Amino acid sequence: EIVLTQSPGTLSVSPGERVTLSCGASQSVSRFLAWYQQKPGQAPRLLIYDAINRATGIPARFSGSGSGTDFTLTISSLEPEDFAVYYCQQRSNWITFGQGTRLEIK
Amino acid sequence: QVQLEESGPGLVKPSETLSLTCTVSGGSITSYYWTWIRQPPGKGLEWIASIYYSGSPNYKPSSGSTNYNPSLKSRVTISVDTSRNQFSLKVTYLTAADTAVYYCARMTTDGIIDYWGQGTLVTVSS
Repeated sequence: EIVLTQSPGTLSVSPGERVTLSCGASQSVSRFLAWYQQKPGQAPRLLIYDAINRATGIPARFSGSGSGTDFTLTISSLEPEDFAVYYCQQRSNWITFGQGTRLEIK
Repeated sequence: QVQLEESGPGLVKPSETLSLTCTVSGGSITSYYWTWIRQPPGKGLEWIASIYYSGSPNYKPSSGSTNYNPSLKSRVTISVDTSRNQFSLKVTYLTAADTAVYYCARMTTDGIIDYWGQGTLVTVSS
């Protein structure tokens, strides 16, 4: 099983700031990594797939990078609606998720 | 627009079997992996199982078209009912650790989970 480790667990930030979330894989997943956003009481929403591709309708302030075992999700300027939990997910060896990073308002 | 909706009991007793159904509307059930994922309260996401429907009129589930999380495989069965555009999940020998929001989802053949149901909370308690 491929283990995904996200850091930090919680990030306190202010609207307008730039943030970078990290996801590390226990073995290479090539570029087969996705990012999801989840708000309370809602299902996750696909943001980024194959490490760098924005899903349909996702604003350009969201960007992904990385390959192999190290990945990042960057939000260039936080909007109020971006405060949520973010999960990474690999599809290299079936499906596993990271434990999530919570973005909270400072 | 593809929509998925879970249905099933909200409360199940320990040691019993959970049966959940997901109804797919607004799109074809053909050529996708139909998937169940769960999330215990306050915790992260766990993939449970996926089933692929090719669209063949002679479709029969085979070992190659169903995939299970190894940690749950002995207790889980996934199936698809093409006539109703539904797929289902059964989980046997339930314990409190199975208490979670259960999501059904669509996964492309590239492994991208692009549509989710709203989720249904299942509580295992006597």
